Amino acid sequence: GDSVTQTEGLVTLTEGLPVMLNCTYQTIYSNPFLFWYVQHLNESPRLLLKSFTDNKRTEHQGFHATLHKSSSSFHLQKSSAQLSDSALYYCALRANSGTYQRFGTGTKLQVVP
Amino acid sequence: GPKVLQIPSHQIIDMGQMVTLNCDPVSNHLYFYWYKQILGQQMEFLVNFYNGKVMEKSKLFKDQFSVERPDGSYFTLKIQPTALEDSAVYFCASSLEGSAETLYFGSGTRLTVL
Repeated sequence: GDSVTQTEGLVTLTEGLPVMLNCTYQTIYSNPFLFWYVQHLNESPRLLLKSFTDNKRTEHQGFHATLHKSSSSFHLQKSSAQLSDSALYYCALRANSGTYQRFGTGTKLQVVP
Repeated sequence: GPKVLQIPSHQIIDMGQMVTLNCDPVSNHLYFYWYKQILGQQMEFLVNFYNGKVMEKSKLFKDQFSVERPDGSYFTLKIQPTALEDSAVYFCASSLEGSAETLYFGSGTRLTVL
């Protein structure tokens, strides 16, 4: 079945260093939609960015990701981490028309001074 | 941005009792969802709802669960009877045109079953 894999449970970074959070997915469908949601402490998840176009970079609020269907990946990146980026990041997959968004296990990003 | 409201924010009940979680979705949204998040774990899909009907449900959506949105009011999740393993945060979400669209989440209802 469809699945989303986020291999890192916790990523701790020093402020100013680049961020890369991994997301890979599995689906038999050829037109998946991929999403990144961010959940700050005691808040609800909110969309950070999304894509369904192969090999096209999507950017929002300093973060970017590119859907690579060849490697089934949608990694989240940022050039320079800020303290306020500390949060839980979910990658989500909508594999096919009419199905729901399936969330990965999430990666907690901790940015330290 | 668009807001989804969930009431109450926290509910504590005894095992076996009934509970209803309420969600006020974004006003022009047509698709509604419930997700369950056990403390420290990922968010898991429970059910989605469109045009007055359940579209899909996961294996977590047990027979004791039901959803409805009577007359365009609150979108509700009812659990009857509750079990200890139902303790979790339940997030309601809505989207304008289905699951390819952005999900807007409420702040969650923390359900504690004693």
